[in-house]
Amino acid sequence: EIVMTQTPLFLSVTPGQPASISCKSSQSLLHSDGKTYLSWYLQKSGQSPQLLIYEVSSRFSGVPDRFSGSGSGTDFTLKISRVEAEDVGVYYCMQSIHLWTFGQGTKVEIK
Amino acid sequence: EVQLVESGGGFIQPGESLRLSCAASGFIVSSTYMSWVRQAAGKGLEWVSIIYSGGNRYYADSVKGRFTISRDNSKNTLYLQMNSLRAEDTAVYYCARTDVFDIWGQGTMVIVSS
Repeated sequence: EIVMTQTPLFLSVTPGQPASISCKSSQSLLHSDGKTYLSWYLQKSGQSPQLLIYEVSSRFSGVPDRFSGSGSGTDFTLKISRVEAEDVGVYYCMQSIHLWTFGQGTKVEIK
Repeated sequence: EVQLVESGGGFIQPGESLRLSCAASGFIVSSTYMSWVRQAAGKGLEWVSIIYSGGNRYYADSVKGRFTISRDNSKNTLYLQMNSLRAEDTAVYYCARTDVFDIWGQGTMVIVSS
């Protein structure tokens, strides 16, 4: 089983400031097809998760461009360029190269 | 509108069975991959099972041999048959359109307790 490890687990951010979440996988997520199967999701309080980023850096339809993803192999990062109040929630990374596993989640709050 | 609506959750005793349903609209379930993901209270997300468009099915080790994923193409609905339920199966169960999990249902709660 591929283990996904997120850091930090909790992040308190001032509105307008940047935020960054790290996600590390226990195995490379680079597939032989050339794609890297790492996605990011945001789960707001009381809601279902919503897709933000797929294949490391592709922003899903409707996702603001303040969200960006980067990384390769086993190390990945989600960045929010300027945090807004609506960005509060728990962020999860997920690998989909071998079955599917999620990171533990990073809770983001506004200071 | 593209959406998924789960139903079938409830309060059930250990060892009993329950079937969850996930009705899709706006797309065809049989033409894509569909998964079940669960989330225990205050915990993270755990992938449970997937059914591919071709019919292949896979399960997390924690539910293998007890849960069965299926679909009814005529009803455009996904199912999760859960047998021999345990207290640790207590969670909100979501269905989601895979492979990037772009569409999620609202979830249905399953509580397994004596």
